[in-house]
Amino acid sequence: EVQLEESGGGLVQPGGSLRLSCAASGFTFSTSYMHWVRQAPGKGPVWVSRINNDGSMTTYADSVKGRFTISRDNAKRTLYLQMNSLRVEDTSVYYCARFGSGAAFDVWGLGTMVIVSS
Amino acid sequence: QSVLTQSPSASGTPGQRITISCSGSFSNIGGNTVNWYQQFPGTAPQLLIYRNSQRPSGVPDRFSGSKSGTSASLAISGLQSEDEADYYCSTWDDSLKGPVFGGGTKLTVL
Repeated sequence: EVQLEESGGGLVQPGGSLRLSCAASGFTFSTSYMHWVRQAPGKGPVWVSRINNDGSMTTYADSVKGRFTISRDNAKRTLYLQMNSLRVEDTSVYYCARFGSGAAFDVWGLGTMVIVSS
Repeated sequence: QSVLTQSPSASGTPGQRITISCSGSFSNIGGNTVNWYQQFPGTAPQLLIYRNSQRPSGVPDRFSGSKSGTSASLAISGLQSEDEADYYCSTWDDSLKGPVFGGGTKLTVL
C-alpha cells in the first residue's frame, strides 16, 4: 500500500525549532519529488517546500525561506522538514505529499499538527 | 488571501449537477494544468482531478474538470450526500515558482 506517515509535530514556543519526518512506503521513494504542504485551521492548503528525487534541488515558499530546510534520506525512505525560528503564523497541520507523474499531489500523509504558542 | 479564487460555499440537492469554479491569472492557471482535491473534515486532501480533466483510478465519472483561459471548473453530476466536503483547486504559479491553491469551496448537499 502506498503510504506516507508524518511525525514530529507538537507545541513549541515562538522562536523555537521542530523537525518533522515523513516515512514513505509502498512506492519508489528515491525517484519521487516530495513536498511539504501546510494547512491552518479552517484555511486552504499552502505549499511550503519541495525537493527533487536525489535531494540536489530544493525550493521554498517566501514565507519560510531562510527558516525551514527540507531534506531527504533515500536509504531510509524518509523526508524531513527542519523548522527554525518558528512564528505563531506557522501553526498548521503539516502534510508531506508526493508529486506524481500527473503533475499533482497524488499521495498525502495524514498530517502532523504544529502549534506555535507561548 | 489565496492566489486562486473560489466561492466559499456551494450547495445542491441529491441528483443535481453543480459546478465549482476557480479563477486565477496568466502566471498560474493560464499557463499550467489544474488539479482538484477533495477533503473531508479531519482528513488529508485527496486528488480528485489532475491535468484539468483526468480522473485518478477510483474516482467516479460523476466528477469532471475543465479549464478555459485563466479559469477552471469542477462539475459534480448526480450529487450524493457523500460528496459533502471541501474542494480545492491547485496549479503551478510561474511567478511564485511553486504550487498554489484556492481557498476552497465547502459543498453542502441539502
